[in-house]
Amino acid sequence: GQQLNQSPQSMFIQEGEDVSMNCTSSSIFNTWLWYKQDPGEGPVLLIALYKAGELTSNGRLTAQFGITRKDSFLNISASIPSDVGIYFCAGRAGGTSYGKLTFGQGTILTVHP
Amino acid sequence: GAGVSQSPSNKVTEKGKDVELRCDPISGHTALYWYRQRLGQGLEFLIYFQGNSAPDKSGLPSDRFSAERTGESVSTLTIQRTQQEDSAVYLCASSLGPASVGGELFFGEGSRLTVL
Repeated sequence: GQQLNQSPQSMFIQEGEDVSMNCTSSSIFNTWLWYKQDPGEGPVLLIALYKAGELTSNGRLTAQFGITRKDSFLNISASIPSDVGIYFCAGRAGGTSYGKLTFGQGTILTVHP
Repeated sequence: GAGVSQSPSNKVTEKGKDVELRCDPISGHTALYWYRQRLGQGLEFLIYFQGNSAPDKSGLPSDRFSAERTGESVSTLTIQRTQQEDSAVYLCASSLGPASVGGELFFGEGSRLTVL
C-alpha cells in the first residue's frame, strides 16, 4: 500500500529558529495536508495543498506541494514555545480513495525558550 | 455539537472482551472517518462513511472490527474478542462535504483503548 516517509522524526530547537520537515511518497497524491497534534487531542489541520507546485502560507507556516506530486515540505519560521507538538503530513490519492488519508509517522518538535 | 465527540475517552478491557467506541460527528457533517493511532505512530485509516454507507472499509484490520453509522449521525466502532495489539487511540473525524470533494477533516480527541 501507499507509504509516507516523514523526516526528521524529532527536532530540538531554540525559540526563534526556523524549522523544516518533509514527506516523500512512493506514489502520487492529489492532495497534501499538514496537521499538528497536541498531547491528548486529535490532529488539527494547518495547511492544505491541492495542486502540484502549489506554495501556501498560513502565518509563520509555509508548505509546498512537490511538482512530482510525491513530496511536500512544511517550514515554520521564527518558532515559539507553542509550536511544540507532533506534526503530521497526510496525502489523499483521489479516485476511489477519496475518503482515505495516508499519514506520515510524525515529527516531534520541541522548542526551548 | 461544537466539535466531534468521542466516548469513552479511556477504556481498559481484558483480552477477549468486546468493546464499542462511539463517535458523534459535527452536526450536519455528511462524511465520517475512523482512524487508529498506535503509540508514537501516525494515523492508520480504518473506514469512512458517506451518509450511512461505507464506500471504503479497506483499513479494517480483521473481521473482529466492524463499524456502523445510523441516521447520518452517530457511528459505533466495535472490536470483538480484543487482543493486546488492538491497544491504541481510536480517532474519529467528520467533514462537511462528501469525501469525494476532499472536505477538511475535523478530528475528535480520540478513545484510548488498553487491552490487558
